[in-house]
Amino acid sequence: NAGVMQNPRHLVRRRGQEARLRCSPMKGHSHVYWYRQLPEEGLKFMVYLQKENIIDESGMPKERFSAEFPKEGPSILRIQQVVRGDSAAYFCASSPTGATQPQHFGDGTRLSIL
Amino acid sequence: AQSVTQLDSQVPVFEEAPVELRCNYSSSVSVYLFWYVQYPNQGLQLLLKYLSGSTLVKSINGFEAEFNKSQTSFHLRKPSVHISDTAEYFCAVNTNQGAQKLVFGQGTRLTINP
Repeated sequence: NAGVMQNPRHLVRRRGQEARLRCSPMKGHSHVYWYRQLPEEGLKFMVYLQKENIIDESGMPKERFSAEFPKEGPSILRIQQVVRGDSAAYFCASSPTGATQPQHFGDGTRLSIL
Repeated sequence: AQSVTQLDSQVPVFEEAPVELRCNYSSSVSVYLFWYVQYPNQGLQLLLKYLSGSTLVKSINGFEAEFNKSQTSFHLRKPSVHISDTAEYFCAVNTNQGAQKLVFGQGTRLTINP
């Protein structure tokens, strides 16, 4: 499968636990984006990364959320001390280069907080 | 900052009827426009895009959208829908001014009735 791979597809956590969401971009893509989709809403941008660099994190909550895209391995979105309001679908997208290149999306991780 | 408004949250139509999903955007700079389709429990798939050139863009499955700069619109149309077109449709905008993030509308749920 040459598409954007996200895992896990579903993740259940209790309040206060940590959630780690992984994203492997399409082959040849060096730009990764994370979006969050709350129930009955559109997608909201969270963060844009290139290898080893955070380019734009203007959509990330100021606390508990972090993202990385290491030189080797997938991009990770990490949510510490999860709360009920973190329940959402988290989508990763990738593109080869800049704004004219469409972003290709993974199937998402559905995070449920008990 | 950019914003996207999808005027209809739900659109029910009968099979083989025409459909139009409306999208208006707001931006102070030039934009790139996209329509994405999301089937249940899946990620977003690119349906079509406008980057430059001809204002009428078409997809392989019969959808088309027209960029209207004066109306700041990018409405999606199909002359005859099929049951398989049932999905959620998202309009999105990006700019060529350095920001790489997509700004999405709230989505329109298209339901095709037999």
